[in-house]
Amino acid sequence: EVQLVESGGGLVQPGRSLRLSCAASGFTFDSYAMHWVRQAPGKGLEWVSGISWNGGDIGYADSVKVRFTISRDNAKNSLSLEMNSLRTEDTAFYYCAKDIGADGNNDAFDTWGQGTMVTVSS
Amino acid sequence: SYELSQSPSVSVSPGQTASITCSGDRLDNKYVCWYQQKPGQSPVLVIYQDSRRPSGIPARFYGSNSGNTATLTISGTQAMDEADYYCQAWDSRTAVFGGGTRLTVL
Repeated sequence: EVQLVESGGGLVQPGRSLRLSCAASGFTFDSYAMHWVRQAPGKGLEWVSGISWNGGDIGYADSVKVRFTISRDNAKNSLSLEMNSLRTEDTAFYYCAKDIGADGNNDAFDTWGQGTMVTVSS
Repeated sequence: SYELSQSPSVSVSPGQTASITCSGDRLDNKYVCWYQQKPGQSPVLVIYQDSRRPSGIPARFYGSNSGNTATLTISGTQAMDEADYYCQAWDSRTAVFGGGTRLTVL
């Protein structure tokens, strides 16, 4: 069974940092691109960042560029999101999502984790 | 930046056909996919590459994309189809989501 399990969410003050992780299982992790997608409470979906199968191609939404860093460890079947200089508007559920393909810049997300909540507040 | 527009809500009677639209500039030049999200749950991919259904998605879900509009059609709508539906496409190496449409089955 394909499974994605996020962790690392919590309450953090504005300006501080947080690192999210996603543990993948049930598929050949290093054959697929991976993404982070977030959803503010009661709002719609927003793509945050994506990374190709080998980490060679990375993209970010303008809203998080420079502040967030995506990475992957194919040996450990894991995806990470380092979030710095957090703002109140970053408060959201953060989902890890598997891409249908390897490149990560032109296709759909066919498996999603259960999400982890990040709350940025003083 | 590129934008995808969806109507906030659509209502349909059980057994009838529901149509949910997604509009964007020259949208038929891009692949569109659709996600279903029920309350308290993670999104589920129901259509990708305009009209392809992932395994396990019922055949009553159909997608199309022409001109500036992509459409998700659900034929013989069931109560279990009540959910939020989001379209998504790529532009300039950025994934863009529509604002979502709440489908009510009543």
